[in-house]
Amino acid sequence: AQSVTQLDSQVPVFEEAPVELRCNYSSSVSVYLFWYVQYPNQGLQLLLKYLSGSTLVKGINGFEAEFNKSQTSFHLRKPSVHISDTAEYFCAVIASGSARQLTFGSGTQLTVLP
Amino acid sequence: EPEVTQTPSHQVTQMGQEVILRCVPISNHLYFYWYRQILGQKVEFLVSFYNNEISEKSEIFDDQFSVERPDGSNFTLKIRSTKLEDSAMYFCASSERDGGLYGYTFGSGTRLTVV
Repeated sequence: AQSVTQLDSQVPVFEEAPVELRCNYSSSVSVYLFWYVQYPNQGLQLLLKYLSGSTLVKGINGFEAEFNKSQTSFHLRKPSVHISDTAEYFCAVIASGSARQLTFGSGTQLTVLP
Repeated sequence: EPEVTQTPSHQVTQMGQEVILRCVPISNHLYFYWYRQILGQKVEFLVSFYNNEISEKSEIFDDQFSVERPDGSNFTLKIRSTKLEDSAMYFCASSERDGGLYGYTFGSGTRLTVV
């Protein structure tokens, strides 16, 4: 079985500051990694994913994440945040043997302050 | 941009009643899913559906749950006899290809409150 831990439930940050949202996972098999974002009153939207290849992946809205296999982490970063980045961010994994079931972390609420 | 539409956005029902949650997936998507999030807990997989059959389901998806594609556009989740612990946000999702590797498109959810 897989599990995903998002270490911070809430992250407040000032506008134009950098941010890192942390995600660690555990799994007995290979996994694929994802970040989803949920803006208020909207559905979950795919931000970026790591399937294979370069461990640094870039997503929409200037976000990037780095897969670190030895530390079983997939932290999300943005060098300069905007008010519009305020949302809930979910890290998720799919096990290589079960490509349909996303296992989610508990989410991190990012609040960008003016 | 194409959207997955869920109705209603909020539904209140009495314990023991049947409830149907409705979803309109993206028109050219062939794979459909339901997830749920109990308040304060993680988003959990319920079921995946393709070609009028369940392709995968979780332990949560027991006999009180069923899914259906009654016509060419709707995808529904039925809970036969609701319990208090069924109160949650239910998310529908669809994808063009099988599985989540290419990313699901999620709806904005239906908040189900069982009283």
